[in-house]
Amino acid sequence: DQQVKQNSPSLSVQEGRISILNCDYTNSMFDYFLWYKKYPAEGPTFLISISSIKDKNEDGRFTVFLNKSAKHLSLHIVPSQPGDSAVYFCAASDLGGSEKLVFGKGTKLTVNP
Amino acid sequence: NAGVTQTPKFQVLKTGQSMTLQCAQDMNHEYMSWYRQDPGMGLRLIHYSVGAGITDQGEVPNGYNVSRSTTEDFPLRLLSAAPSQTSVYFCASSYGGTGGYEQYFGPGTRLTVT
Repeated sequence: DQQVKQNSPSLSVQEGRISILNCDYTNSMFDYFLWYKKYPAEGPTFLISISSIKDKNEDGRFTVFLNKSAKHLSLHIVPSQPGDSAVYFCAASDLGGSEKLVFGKGTKLTVNP
Repeated sequence: NAGVTQTPKFQVLKTGQSMTLQCAQDMNHEYMSWYRQDPGMGLRLIHYSVGAGITDQGEVPNGYNVSRSTTEDFPLRLLSAAPSQTSVYFCASSYGGTGGYEQYFGPGTRLTVT
């Protein structure tokens, strides 16, 4: 049973527009959520995170929104740039700690010039 | 800092062979983990460690062993390789506890079992 779901395998947007990547989760014990970015042949790199006590966290062009009642989070990238083209993974951690992240399957974002 | 390093980058094994994937970090992180990534499957946790001498199983531990004798190193051993273990393996580390939840990943080892 998949606890973290990214239902869109791919997303294509124009440079300068907004990219919205979505993630749903089923485990009510998750209390910390992270987004990772991955380029081909490289390891995932941390992008942004949010604690369950917040509903929004912003870092430059990246904003993550959390809707706990809907068990849904989203990553907004504004404005999108061609260098943002990568696979984005949503991940979650429960009260057990950061050594056990549960990942979604990823969304491949393509930003067209 | 080199961060998280993994060796080798690529490996081809025959069914039944054994090998060790190496992972090291120089950030003095307490927590270390191993994941595998298969096409369309995201990353799945194999084993993890919350400190030297302490290890535990993740979601897909069968066929793998780990040990953590030092804070820096966390090797992953394949006991008898099977084609189903063909995958890309990532090692990660984090501060743990109140130090933050972000895990830092190595560049990965691409393993093919024939």
